[in-house]
Amino acid sequence: EVQLVESGGGLVQPGGSLRLSCTGSGFTFDNYWMTWVRQAPGKGLEWVANIKLDGSEKYYVDSVKGRFTISRDNAKNSLYLQMNSLRAEDTAMYYCARNLYASGAWTDYWGQGVLVTVSS
Amino acid sequence: EIVLTQSPATLSLSPGERATLSCRASQSLSSSLAWYQRKPGQAPRLLIYDASNRASGIPARFSGSGSGTDFTLTISSLEPEDFAVYYCQQRSSWTPITFGQGTRLEIK
Repeated sequence: EVQLVESGGGLVQPGGSLRLSCTGSGFTFDNYWMTWVRQAPGKGLEWVANIKLDGSEKYYVDSVKGRFTISRDNAKNSLYLQMNSLRAEDTAMYYCARNLYASGAWTDYWGQGVLVTVSS
Repeated sequence: EIVLTQSPATLSLSPGERATLSCRASQSLSSSLAWYQRKPGQAPRLLIYDASNRASGIPARFSGSGSGTDFTLTISSLEPEDFAVYYCQQRSSWTPITFGQGTRLEIK
């Protein structure tokens, strides 16, 4: 069974940093692109970033470029999102998702999410 | 950035009826569009990818069509478990991936 478990969320002040982690199981982690998606309170889904199988390609939504870094450690079946210079508008539930096989875009399994709150 | 506009915002129908949800893109996507279902407290579920391909385990009553800028998700006969929020998502070369704002399918 495919499982994705996120951790690392919490309350942080504006300008602060957080590192989200996601551990995958039940599939061959390094065979899949991985993605972070977020959902702010009362809003829709927002794609944040994705990363290729070996980490050689990474893409970001414009609003997080230069502040967030996606990375992965295939030996640990883990995906990360380093978030710096956090803003109030980054407050959201963050979801780790596995991409459909051979796809950099479509996501077929999602974690339950981790809450990030940016507030003073 | 490619903007996806979903309509209607809310669709009120009864079980057994046919649902037609629309997603319009601000630029041509060819067939690079997916549909997701989202229920409260649950992770999104991939329904359709590449405009018309059903994802694994998705019932045949769900179908996707369209290309270019206009796409449709059709649920042929609504089951009680189909009432949820539906999102379209696009991927287009060299632009960020984006989601539509969602269509809420509610029981009439």
